[in-house]
Amino acid sequence: GNSVTQMEGPVTLSEEAFLTINCTYTATGYPSLFWYVQYPGEGLQLLLKATKADDKGSNKGFEATYRKETTSFHLEKGSVQVSDSAVYFCALSARRANSKLTFGKGITLSVRP
Amino acid sequence: EADIYQTPRYLVIGTGKKITLECSQTMGHDKMYWYQQDPGMELHLIHYSYGVNSTEKGDLSSESTVSRIRTEHFPLTLESARPSHTSQYLCASSEPGTSGSYEQYFGPGTRLTVT
Repeated sequence: GNSVTQMEGPVTLSEEAFLTINCTYTATGYPSLFWYVQYPGEGLQLLLKATKADDKGSNKGFEATYRKETTSFHLEKGSVQVSDSAVYFCALSARRANSKLTFGKGITLSVRP
Repeated sequence: EADIYQTPRYLVIGTGKKITLECSQTMGHDKMYWYQQDPGMELHLIHYSYGVNSTEKGDLSSESTVSRIRTEHFPLTLESARPSHTSQYLCASSEPGTSGSYEQYFGPGTRLTVT
């Protein structure tokens, strides 16, 4: 079956530090990959996505590249801000009629001023 | 901007009460979902629907039930609330994107506490 593995958290960084959150996946075929973000007290928001190998998704300074050879979709940001403090979820969607998303366990990021 | 709404946002209720969590979307999406989020933030799919009169149980067994009488409305009901039902409940809907991927849009969630 499909699965998503995220690095263990939580992660605490100082403002302007470089961020990497690792995500690897197992899936048959060619899934679409997503990063969602959940700010305190809110629902999930789509941060970025990639739908085929070597695609790079980007949004709000965050980037992730769909690497089929390593089955990875790591999230990066060059300079984090306090406002980036949130929970980050990696997810995949298999390309078929079943539209369910498979989520990783999520990782909490705290950014110190 | 996704338009998916959940009410109430917060609910504190006593054991044994019947409750309904409301979820509505104005995007005309056929597919809708309910997730339960545990304190460690992990998401568990408990129900989903692919259209009117279609409901299925998700990956995590739940004592709740759902109905889908209208496209825009997907309420979740607990007939007799228990403290073990205390959790955050998130509703989502989706449609296929141009690439065929299914991007889900989430509501703000309902935080339920059963005393």
